This record gives sequence, C-alpha cells and structure tokens, in this order.
Amino acid sequence: SQQGEEDPQALSIQEGENATMNCSYKTSINNLQWYRQNSGRGLVHLILIRSNEREKHSGRLRVTLDTSKKSSSLLITASRAADTASYFCATDEVNTGFQKLVFGTGTRLLVSP
Amino acid sequence: EADIYQTPRYLVIGTGKKITLECSQTMGHDKMYWYQQDPGMELHLIHYSYGVNSTEKGDLSSESTVSRIRTEHFPLTLESARPSHTSQYLCASSGSTGGLPQHFGDGTRLSIL
Repeated sequence: SQQGEEDPQALSIQEGENATMNCSYKTSINNLQWYRQNSGRGLVHLILIRSNEREKHSGRLRVTLDTSKKSSSLLITASRAADTASYFCATDEVNTGFQKLVFGTGTRLLVSP
Repeated sequence: EADIYQTPRYLVIGTGKKITLECSQTMGHDKMYWYQQDPGMELHLIHYSYGVNSTEKGDLSSESTVSRIRTEHFPLTLESARPSHTSQYLCASSGSTGGLPQHFGDGTRLSIL
C-alpha cells in the first residue's frame, strides 16, 4: 500500500539556496524517516522523527512533523552540489508488528553550482 | 557507512535463467529486507525476515524467493528470469528494536533480455 506522497517530484535550485520537500501519509505512525539516494546507489538514512516530536535538526537538515495533518517536511539549508540526489520519506506504521517502512514517491533534487 | 553488501552490482542475463542475488551484512542485524525499485520510482517491499529461518512476503507480489539460513546472509532467487523482472533490487537490514533506521546496500541492477 502506498503511504507517502512527496512533493515536489523534482526541484532544481542554485548552490546556497534552501530546499524544502514535503511528505504526506495516510495512517498512524510510530516514526517518520528521511533517506537520501544518490544515483545508482542504495539509500542512506538521514534523520528520524518520532510521532511525539514536532521538529528535529541534524546539521543543515531540519525536519518537521505534523501528525494532525499527517505531513512532514525536510528542509536542507545552504544547499551544495553534493546534495543532488533523490530524497524519500518513509513511515513506520503503527499497526504492523514488524518494522515495515513504507516509502514515498521521492523528490529529485538538483543543486547547480 | 553501513556494512551491507550486494553482489552482483549489475547483471544482464537471458530469459529463463536461474538467478541468485546475494546480500550480506556484518552488523548482526536480525531484520533484513528486499525491495524492488524501478528507476526514479519508490521502493516496494517484496520480502522480509525477522531472523534465521524466518521469511515473509512483502507488500508487492514477487515471483522471487528468499532464504535466511544464517543471520548475515539473505539471498534472493529467481528460478526462471523474465523481462518483467528487470529492475533494481535493494537489500536492507535493521536492528531488532522497533523503529530503527534501515541500512541499505548499493543494489543489484538486473536486466533480463
């Protein structure tokens, strides 16, 4: 079942600008995670936010979670060319006894020098 | 970087062949997963495992099978490959405690001619 929808599907910005990606989901969650995928590679975990948290920071990353709206956003500040990648949100659903992450459709970010 | 390895990285093979995609992790994780991902698209869970001798089917129906005889090893097998199996296959693992991030290998890009 498709849980996360992300927008925009693609985002093109200049180095130094901020990038914001949004994720919406459908059911109750234990936590929401963001991953990055460089072209031709596997996913790398960026940050996890629990359902009782509203905001979390890690370096240049800021994640917010609004469980009433079932949505999350990922902000990358002062972007760099190396941030060019696809970004996926993934939700850990409440009702499964096993940690099955359900991934969103992804946002493709292009950061130009 | 996570210690999870997939081989081969690329495989181009003819229809009807038997294929095994290898996945190994050195982190002692109990939970392991196989995802299928078409280029630029979301990930779909096709198999997962709680631990040794445990295998379950994921959300996306797949003709592949998996085995988990050792904690560190979670191979995926296609008995008779078809062009519809062309995709990228990603292996991941995570610790036993719920809600932990998943660690991904770099994937196998499979092309069936």
